[in-house]
Amino acid sequence: AQSVTQLGSHVSVSEGALVLLRCNYSSSVPPYLFWYVQYPNQGLQLLLKYTTGATLVKGINGFEAEFKKSETSFHLTKPSAHMSDAAEYFCAVSFPGGYNKLIFGAGTRLAVHP
Amino acid sequence: GAVVSQHPSWVICKSGTSVKIECRSLDFQATTMFWYRQFPKQSLMLMATSNEGSKATYEQGVEKDKFLINHASLTLSTLTVTSAHPEDSSFYICSARAGRENSPLHFGNGTRLTVT
Repeated sequence: AQSVTQLGSHVSVSEGALVLLRCNYSSSVPPYLFWYVQYPNQGLQLLLKYTTGATLVKGINGFEAEFKKSETSFHLTKPSAHMSDAAEYFCAVSFPGGYNKLIFGAGTRLAVHP
Repeated sequence: GAVVSQHPSWVICKSGTSVKIECRSLDFQATTMFWYRQFPKQSLMLMATSNEGSKATYEQGVEKDKFLINHASLTLSTLTVTSAHPEDSSFYICSARAGRENSPLHFGNGTRLTVT
């Protein structure tokens, strides 16, 4: 069965510090991978996605993620955190033929302090 | 870009009444829409897949008679919570796909339902 694991339900960083949010997946077929951000009482906004091709994917707001098949990982990074990055982040997977039926991780709440 | 509009953004209703939530794709046609439920500080749980012109496909454990889904057109899907109870209070989010299978889903801003 396919699944997504996000290590760390809460991550706290200082403004200007590196952001690293971890995501590992379990799948028997090559997945499509996504990172979404959710601000309080709002829906989800797509940060970036990987389907095929280059394994290092750049997204909005300075975020990027790298698909590592050998590690079954798709960790999200940003070189320098900004206060506005504080939000809930969700890693998600879908699969060819799955009609975009997304399976979400439990989410990681990112706090950014001055 | 693709926009999904969800209405209302919040609703309070009395126990026993029904509530309808609308999900519209504003600038694209969505043959498939998805309805999620999110409990406080938890992830999104897929409730059902809504296909235009056909019956929705519900996930295991989701009561189809409780959560009625209608996808009458390529731009509108509705979720009706029938005979709502306080345990139905939650954040409901819809999403729609614009384009091909590996295109990302676009999400509405969600509806917070509170049943008193």
